[in-house]
Amino acid sequence: GENVEQHPSTLSVQEGDSAVIKCTYSDSASNYFPWYKQELGKRPQLIIDIRSNVGEKKDQRIAVTLNKTAKHFSLHITETQPEDSAVYFCAASRGSNYKLTFGKGTLLTVNP
Amino acid sequence: GAVVSQHPSWVICKSGTSVKIECRSLDFQATTMFWYRQFPKQSLMLMATSNEGSKATYEQGVEKDKFLINHASLTLSTLTVTSAHPEDSSFYICSATTGGGDNQPQHFGDGTRLSIL
Repeated sequence: GENVEQHPSTLSVQEGDSAVIKCTYSDSASNYFPWYKQELGKRPQLIIDIRSNVGEKKDQRIAVTLNKTAKHFSLHITETQPEDSAVYFCAASRGSNYKLTFGKGTLLTVNP
Repeated sequence: GAVVSQHPSWVICKSGTSVKIECRSLDFQATTMFWYRQFPKQSLMLMATSNEGSKATYEQGVEKDKFLINHASLTLSTLTVTSAHPEDSSFYICSATTGGGDNQPQHFGDGTRLSIL
């Protein structure tokens, strides 16, 4: 089955700096890669996703890149703000209506 | 749009009782729903995939007789934890998708915090 590795497990940055979280996956058939933000005790919220026919996608301060050959994808957050502090999960799937395999999560702390 | 409602949000009950958790898609029809379990400071672990009108597909290691899943309509799936014990205490979250060919993403419910005494 699919295996998703996520690094780092914790990340602390100063407000205004950039944050990068990286994930690798094992199943070459995976073609859908969402990123979720989860605040303590709350639901995971989809912040951005990318499909295998696209190498990069951007939404304001958030961007995701995908290297299908190397089987890795990354989340980039620019101009970080304290409200960006949360746990971020990457995931991989063979399609958005198929089961997701999650990484172990990254606790991002943005220090004011 | 794409709102998933989960109920109850918090349950405390005695060991040996059964607990039912509901997951509803409020503004779309969900052909597929997923049930996850999350321990504190850990990732989401898929328990089962539920398709409307058919039996759920359970992940390896998940006891189907312990965690009963029913997906009787396109807007409702239920998870029943039978004869719950303290080790079943966890955060249970459902997600739903339309399952359409246009790759709609999964939307998550608010989760149910289950505490077994």
